Amino acid sequence: DAGVIQSPRHEVTEMGQEVTLRCKPISGHDYLFWYRQTMMRGLELLIYFNNNVPIDDSGMPEDRFSAKMPNASFSTLKIQPSEPRDSAVYFCASSLSRSEAFFGQGTRLTVV
Amino acid sequence: KQEVTQIPAALSVPEGENLVLNCSFTDSAIYNLQWFRQDPGKGLTSLLLIQSSQREQTSGRLNASLDKSSGRSTLYIAASQPGDSATYLCAVRPASGGSYIPTFGRGTSLIVHP
Repeated sequence: DAGVIQSPRHEVTEMGQEVTLRCKPISGHDYLFWYRQTMMRGLELLIYFNNNVPIDDSGMPEDRFSAKMPNASFSTLKIQPSEPRDSAVYFCASSLSRSEAFFGQGTRLTVV
Repeated sequence: KQEVTQIPAALSVPEGENLVLNCSFTDSAIYNLQWFRQDPGKGLTSLLLIQSSQREQTSGRLNASLDKSSGRSTLYIAASQPGDSATYLCAVRPASGGSYIPTFGRGTSLIVHP
């Protein structure tokens, strides 16, 4: 397996625009996590899915953030409208139950 | 609520030294603990996974120990090399409650200079 795949790797957008981040988890994994990493706050869990169902989205900072997992091999994290304070690295991770978690390479988002 | 602390936050050592990175957690009811490495601008790479029933795990020059009762784990790096320079993070998963969310520490930034 190629591991967790995220796209794009870098995204620069203007304030107010919609941003969509994409993730393909490792095949067979039943958990998918979206994290945000900043220097100030470290790694923050935004939302996680189990068998494509959102379980806990309490980490999603505002209604501007939404996430979907239409099938076991694809998830999106959308920010609409984007703001400069959303600039961060966004990571997707997957795991099989409570076993080892595997991370993607991340998407570096810059909102200007 | 589980809290994970990593000390020191930053460490700079000369090549060849043996070193220890610390990870402490407040709730000892964990399922497992995982150590990661993160290179600048990259994702997190899993290094070692220790189940709650285990005391240690080894991979090459890396050895991770777990003392669940005291809420501590250490990552030992033998004969450090410049290529070991990275940020090292630990994460713990809860043993119960139905939540499988790993809680991360803020990491230890390691620089090994030649």
